[in-house]
Parts: sequence; structure tokens; C-alpha cells
Amino acid sequence: GAVVSQHPSWVICKSGTSVKIECRSLDFQATTMFWYRQFPKQSLMLMATSNEGSKATYEQGVEKDKFLINHASLTLSTLTVTSAHPEDSSFYICSASGLAGDPVYNEQFFGPGTRLTVL
Amino acid sequence: DAKTTQPNSMESNEEEPVHLPCNHSTISGTDYIHWYRQLPSQGPEYVIHGLTSNVNNRMASLAIAEDRKSSTLILHRATLRDAAVYYCILRDDNYGQNFVFGPGTRLSVLP
Repeated sequence: GAVVSQHPSWVICKSGTSVKIECRSLDFQATTMFWYRQFPKQSLMLMATSNEGSKATYEQGVEKDKFLINHASLTLSTLTVTSAHPEDSSFYICSASGLAGDPVYNEQFFGPGTRLTVL
Repeated sequence: DAKTTQPNSMESNEEEPVHLPCNHSTISGTDYIHWYRQLPSQGPEYVIHGLTSNVNNRMASLAIAEDRKSSTLILHRATLRDAAVYYCILRDDNYGQNFVFGPGTRLSVLP
């Protein structure tokens, strides 16, 4: 089956620093990748949608200058949390969809998540 | 996307069947019914999906009402590893858009 990985799986950083999270589709090419955030005891909330080679589309209320998304290739998207603060501490999850016409196009495959703790 | 309604939580005994209900009275003709589950501290995992007919796979069965306004995810023999939050999500698969997650049903499995 299609596999999505995330790196790192957890990270602790100091307030004011920036953190980069990678999302990779390991055995398929992903036109579109999605970034979600999940606070404790809550459901996943979509932050942004990124398409390879173009700017990400952010959901309402998500600061695009704070959460920088780059989708430079069909197998890699990165989320950078800039000037992180304790309220940014959360579980960040990415997912990926395959190319149109691909058997995996209509499915989304989720990464294992990255737990960010900002001190 | 049409909304779904699920019970907040359910309990089951180990090795017994579990029926997880989902109501989606405003489903449109092109919406697929997807089920994902999320184990603690992990990303969501695909369980099953369908459009009109009942579906079976190695993980579960999906029973879809004839009017498609509700569906039921069936775990035939619950194990402790099935304890998770189960999400019922509608999506028009013709457009390959993101999934909109509701609160889901937290399933507890008792030994």
C-alpha cells in the first residue's frame, strides 16, 4: 500500500525558534498534500492544501507567514513553523493524494504525525 | 461537504462484534462514505469506503442503508488493538478533495 512518512516524529523547541517538518510519499507521486493540526482530545483540522509547484492554499484563520509550506517535488512537502510559541504545540499530520488517473488518486494516505512541543 | 453524526463514544467487549453507526441525512448522490480510524498518537488509518453497496475487506464491513442516509461500520471481532477514534467522512471522490474530520466515535474495547 501507499506509504507516507513524516520527519521528525517528535520535536521539542524553544519559543521563538523555527521548526521544519517533512512529509514524504515513499512509493507514489503525490500531486496534492494536506497539512492538518490536532490539539489534544480534538479532531483533525485542515491547515492548508499544497499542490506540487504552486503556492499552498491556507484555511481561514491559519497564518500563511507563520506556517510556511513548500511542495517542491511530487514526493516531498515541508511545513515550517516560524517563531514557534507554546500555543503552536500540537500534533501535525500530513496526508497525500496520488496523481489523477493513478489508482491511489481518490484516496488519502496519512503520515504518522509529528508532535511539536514548544517550551 | 455533507455532515455526518456519530456517537461520541462506544464500548465493546473483546472478541465481540461492534457496530459503529453514522448518520448522513444530507448526503449527495456523488458522495462516497469513508471510514478512517486513529489510534492514540498516530495518523489516521484507512478502514473502508463505499458508495451504495455494502463492502467487505479484511478489517471491517460497511453496511450502507438503501437511502444512503446512514451507514454502519462493523468490526466482526473487536480486539484491544481496535480501540481508537473512528471517523465517518463523506467526500465527493470525483474531485479528490481533502477529508473533513468530525469528532468521530471513541471506541473502547474491554478485555
